[in-house]
Amino acid sequence: GNSVTQMEGPVTLSEEAFLTINCTYTATGYPSLFWYVQYPGEGLQLLLKATKADDKGSNKGFEATYRKETTSFHLEKGSVQVSDSAVYFCALSGGSYIPTFGRGTSLIVHP
Amino acid sequence: GAVVSQHPSRVICKSGTSVKIECRSLDFQATTMFWYRQFPKKSLMLMATSNEGSKATYEQGVEKDKFLINHASLTLSTLTVTSAHPEDSSFYICSATQGAEQFFGPGTRLTVL
Repeated sequence: GNSVTQMEGPVTLSEEAFLTINCTYTATGYPSLFWYVQYPGEGLQLLLKATKADDKGSNKGFEATYRKETTSFHLEKGSVQVSDSAVYFCALSGGSYIPTFGRGTSLIVHP
Repeated sequence: GAVVSQHPSRVICKSGTSVKIECRSLDFQATTMFWYRQFPKKSLMLMATSNEGSKATYEQGVEKDKFLINHASLTLSTLTVTSAHPEDSSFYICSATQGAEQFFGPGTRLTVL
């Protein structure tokens, strides 16, 4: 079946540090890939998405590129802020795919 | 983007009672909605796929008689937790599909005393 694997957290960074959260997936065909963010006590919000190979999704300084050759969709941000502290979920979905989520990676950014 | 609402956002109930949670797509029609459960510091666990006009499809290990799902219209799905127990306390999240994208509700925090 389909699966999404994320790096274990928590990831703890200082403000303005570079962020990478790794995500790899297993699926047949060409799913769409997503990153969602969950702030404390809230539901999930779509952060960015990519619908085909080599697409780059970007939003609020975050980026991720759909790499089919490595089945990856790593999340990056050049300079994190305290307000970016949240849990980040990588997911695949689309067409006949039942939405599948990674376990989530907690990001903690210190001033 | 599309908006999905959930009601209530927070509910506290006594053990043995039933609780209904509503999930609405506010500005689009959704033939498919999903119900998830999230434990503290854990990922989302898909409970069931709710299909408008037909029976929900439950994931393995989810009791369909305990978690009743009704998708009565293209904009509303309800999850009823029957005879709730403290172990049912959790954060329940719904999502609605529009194309390939999932739009999530804000979640419902259920606390069973």
